[in-house]
Amino acid sequence: AQSVSQHNHHVILSEAASLELGCNYSYGGTVNLFWYVQYPGQHLQLLLKYFSGDPLVKGIKGFEAEFIKSKFSFNLRKPSVQWSDTAEYFCAVGNSGYSTLTFGKGTMLLVSP
Amino acid sequence: GAGVSQSPSNKVTEKGKDVELRCDPISGHTALYWYRQSLGQGLEFLIYFQGNSAPDKSGLPSDRFSAERTGGSVSTLTIQRTQQEDSAVYLCASSPGQGASDTQYFGPGTRLTVL
Repeated sequence: AQSVSQHNHHVILSEAASLELGCNYSYGGTVNLFWYVQYPGQHLQLLLKYFSGDPLVKGIKGFEAEFIKSKFSFNLRKPSVQWSDTAEYFCAVGNSGYSTLTFGKGTMLLVSP
Repeated sequence: GAGVSQSPSNKVTEKGKDVELRCDPISGHTALYWYRQSLGQGLEFLIYFQGNSAPDKSGLPSDRFSAERTGGSVSTLTIQRTQQEDSAVYLCASSPGQGASDTQYFGPGTRLTVL
């Protein structure tokens, strides 16, 4: 069974700091990769996803992620965080031929103004 | 348009009682998923429906859990003889059903508390 590991459970940053959230997965086949975000009091929503092509993908609100196949990683980055980025971030992986997702345990990001 | 809706938003029940949780997917979405989110545990896949195909029940934790999807739309997750460890947020998601790269759209969840 595949698994997803998110390196940090909690991250605290000041506004304008750079962000990188780690995500590693265990599956060796072709994968689809997702980052979802849950803002306080809101639904889970998609930040970005990768399924083919350019391994550097850009999402909403200035987020990007890079798929590094050799490292089984899909780290999320943002050059300068804002207070409004305070949320919980989930990495998720799906097999290419299968629609269900395996989620990591999430990283809670707190951005102080 | 309307997103995924779930009801009730909160459910408190006594141990041993049965509960039903409802999910209304986005209109036209053929794929529907149930997940469970426990504190600090991320999202755990429970069951997946795609069109008229047999559901993938591989994530259901025990035979106390079951789900139906009527008419390819609304889904009900039933937990029989609830236990305290069933306490969690139950999330429903739907997607267009076009493949594994689909974006899943999540509902607000039902917070279940078993006393």
